[in-house]
Amino acid sequence: EPEVTQTPSHQVTQMGQEVILRCVPISNHLYFYWYRQILGQKVEFLVSFYNNEISEKSEIFDDQFSVERPDGSNFTLKIRSTKLEDSAMYFCASSDSPPNTEAFFGQGTRLTVV
Amino acid sequence: AQSVAQPEDQVNVAEGNPLTVKCTYSVSGNPYLFWYVQYPNRGLQFLLKYITGDNLVKGSYGFEAEFNKSQTSFHLKKPSALVSDSALYFCALLYNFNKFYFGSGTKLNVKP
Repeated sequence: EPEVTQTPSHQVTQMGQEVILRCVPISNHLYFYWYRQILGQKVEFLVSFYNNEISEKSEIFDDQFSVERPDGSNFTLKIRSTKLEDSAMYFCASSDSPPNTEAFFGQGTRLTVV
Repeated sequence: AQSVAQPEDQVNVAEGNPLTVKCTYSVSGNPYLFWYVQYPNRGLQFLLKYITGDNLVKGSYGFEAEFNKSQTSFHLKKPSALVSDSALYFCALLYNFNKFYFGSGTKLNVKP
């Protein structure tokens, strides 16, 4: 069964450092998303991406965040200068043709900012 | 504004008994509703969805959900719970094809 893969599974970084979280969506999917989940809390929307551009972003997704699809397979989330409060589980998701098809989520990257 | 509410932080049920995990929503326009399950240290796994049509939708692992437009609810159900069903369950609303609004999650504990 096709799946969304994320790397790394766990990233520890120092406050102020840049991190790049990587995702490989399912190959024929066109819609891509990033969500985050702070430990024990709600799953929060960050950004959606379609047709090589951001289609929607949340208030959380400020200038410190950016997304990119550098080639035909990868979808990355960059945090330029990490803060302690960026510590969370970050999930990538992809979908073929919402709402008729559901979004498939990756296993997540646990980001710890120290 | 769009939103999803899961009023119960935790649901406890004995194995073999029926279970219900509650979800209510608010949306302008057609509701596209989903249930996902999260096991410890894992991603979100799709269970089922309501797009249109029959109000009772069936999904993976014997789960089903009933869409009720008048009550703006989409409760998740299973006739006979298994210990292996213990996990965190999220109700989600897809809005504008761009964005899922997730509920706060309900922890299901199924005891032997």
